Amino acid sequence: EVQLVESGGGLVQPGGSLRLSCAASGFTFSSYWMSWVRQAPGKGLEWVANIKQDGSEKYYVDSVKGRFTISRDNAKNSLYLQMNSLRAEDTAVYYCARVDEWSGYSFDYWGQGTLVTVSS
Amino acid sequence: EIVLTQSPGTLSLSPGERATLSCRASQSVSSSYLAWYQQKPGQAPRLLIYGASSRATGIPDRFSGSGSGTDFTLTISRLEPEDFAVYYCQQYFTFGGGTKVEIK
Repeated sequence: EVQLVESGGGLVQPGGSLRLSCAASGFTFSSYWMSWVRQAPGKGLEWVANIKQDGSEKYYVDSVKGRFTISRDNAKNSLYLQMNSLRAEDTAVYYCARVDEWSGYSFDYWGQGTLVTVSS
Repeated sequence: EIVLTQSPGTLSLSPGERATLSCRASQSVSSSYLAWYQQKPGQAPRLLIYGASSRATGIPDRFSGSGSGTDFTLTISRLEPEDFAVYYCQQYFTFGGGTKVEIK
């Protein structure tokens, strides 16, 4: 059974940093692109970042470029999101999602999400 | 940058009725990369449809997708109580704003 379990969310002050983790199991982690997708309270879904299977390619939404870094450790079946210079508008539930190239780069499995709150 | 516009914003229907949700792209997109998701309150999104018309694993056949170019549709043939939720379309890194299907 595919499982994605996020952790690391919490309350942080504006300008602060947080590192999110996503533990993957039930599939060959190193064979898939992985993504972070966020959802602000009461709002829609927003893709945040993607990383290729070997970590050689990374893509970000413009609003987080230069502040967030996506990474992965295939030996540990883990995905990460380092978030620096956090802003109030980064407040959201952050989901880890598996990208399925064979179904048109859809997000076929999602974690339960971890809440990040940026507030003083 | 492609923008996906979903309509209507809210659809008020009764169980057993047919739901038709629209997703319009700001420019032509490949149907191979158009997906639909369902999200219930407090839950993660769930993949329903990929490639515009292929159902994901375990998705009931009352859910169907169609369309090409700039216009795509998600149809729920007969609404079940568990289908009342928010639905999003997605193409690559872009999501639509969502359509809420609520009980009338």
